[in-house]
Formats: sequence, structure tokens, C-alpha cells
Amino acid sequence: DVKVTQSSRYLVKRTGEKVFLECVQDMDHENMFWYRQDPGLGLRLIYFSYDVKMKEKGDIPEGYSVSREKKERFSLILESASTNQTSMYLCASSGHVDEKLFFGSGTQLSVL
Amino acid sequence: EDQVTQSPEALRLQEGESSSLNCSYTVSGLRGLFWYRQDPGKGPEFLFTLYSAGEEKEKERLKATLTKKESFLHITAPKPEDSATYLCAVHGGSQGNLIFGKGTKLSVKP
Repeated sequence: DVKVTQSSRYLVKRTGEKVFLECVQDMDHENMFWYRQDPGLGLRLIYFSYDVKMKEKGDIPEGYSVSREKKERFSLILESASTNQTSMYLCASSGHVDEKLFFGSGTQLSVL
Repeated sequence: EDQVTQSPEALRLQEGESSSLNCSYTVSGLRGLFWYRQDPGKGPEFLFTLYSAGEEKEKERLKATLTKKESFLHITAPKPEDSATYLCAVHGGSQGNLIFGKGTKLSVKP
């Protein structure tokens, strides 16, 4: 079975801190994605990557950046965390663009 | 504008009471419609993919169907363990990525 692992289940950070969220997949998938999920807003795409060192903006990239130095790892970076970035962050991967996504368990980030 | 709308937002059923969840979409050039199940505090888990109108897929008590404008997730004789949020997502339209609905939260009481 495909496994997508997110490094932290819960994180509490202070406003202004730099935050790193890590995601690793073990199925050699080309595509990786970062979403945030908020009550009443559903899943929103932040960034995605189709290949190593490639990145594309999603629907809400402001305040975020990403890094993909290796195929299996996709990192989400909050350069200067703000309270409105408190959310559940979900990483996902897929073998091809139109295929189903495999999600990690999520990181619940609280910015105080 | 490409859009995915799920209804109802929440659904409460008694164990054994069959019902359906709706996912209506407006995208041009549908390339796939996906159903996911999400348990509290976890990531979504894939259930089905449907590609063309008339297609149906089944898994245990769940059956997904697709028309040109909407998809239904039918739940037959649900059990409490079917309680979860069910998400619908669509590939197609002007955007290259999945468009998610906001989900239907299903509660099944024993």
C-alpha cells in the first residue's frame, strides 16, 4: 500500500516563526500536493509539484513556499507564520495527474 | 466557473436507513469524478473514480453513480462505522487540478 507520511501530527508555533512541514511518499509518485483544510471551506490547494525541483502555485499560495529536492519528499514552508495559517495541512501524492490521490494523516498547525 | 457542490452538508441516519449523498458539478470536459471518505483527524481515503455518465461502482454498502451533471453516493443499510465525512472531487474544466466539494458529514446512529 502507498504510504504518505507527514512528519508531525500536531504543531504549535508563534506568529512570525518559520515553519517547515515535511511529507514523504514511498511509491515513487511523480506528483505531490499540499492542501489546507478549514471548516466550511473544504480542501484548498496551496502548491503542487510534478517533478523534482518543479513547483506550481495552487489556489492559495500566498504566504507559503515549497521545496522538492528529492522525488519522495515535498516540504511546505511558512516563511513567517500568521494566525490565519492555523489549519489542518494535508499532503498527497499520485502516480499521474488524473489519478486518485493518496493522502497523509495531516498536520494540525496552530499559530498563536 | 468550475464548481463542485455537495448536499446535504450533514446527514443523520439510523442504522439500516438507506440514503444518498449528492455531488453536483459544473466543469467542461470531465476527466474523472472521485469520492473520498474522511474520518475525524485523518486524511481522506479514496473510495471510487467515475469517468463517464452511466458508470457505477460498488464497494460493500456504498454505490457511486454518475450522470452528466451529478454523482450520487448511495449508502445501503448503513452501520455506525460508516459515519464519516464524504468528499467529492472533480478533474476537468479550466483548472488542471482536482476541485473538491465541501463534503457531507454522515452520522449513523445505532
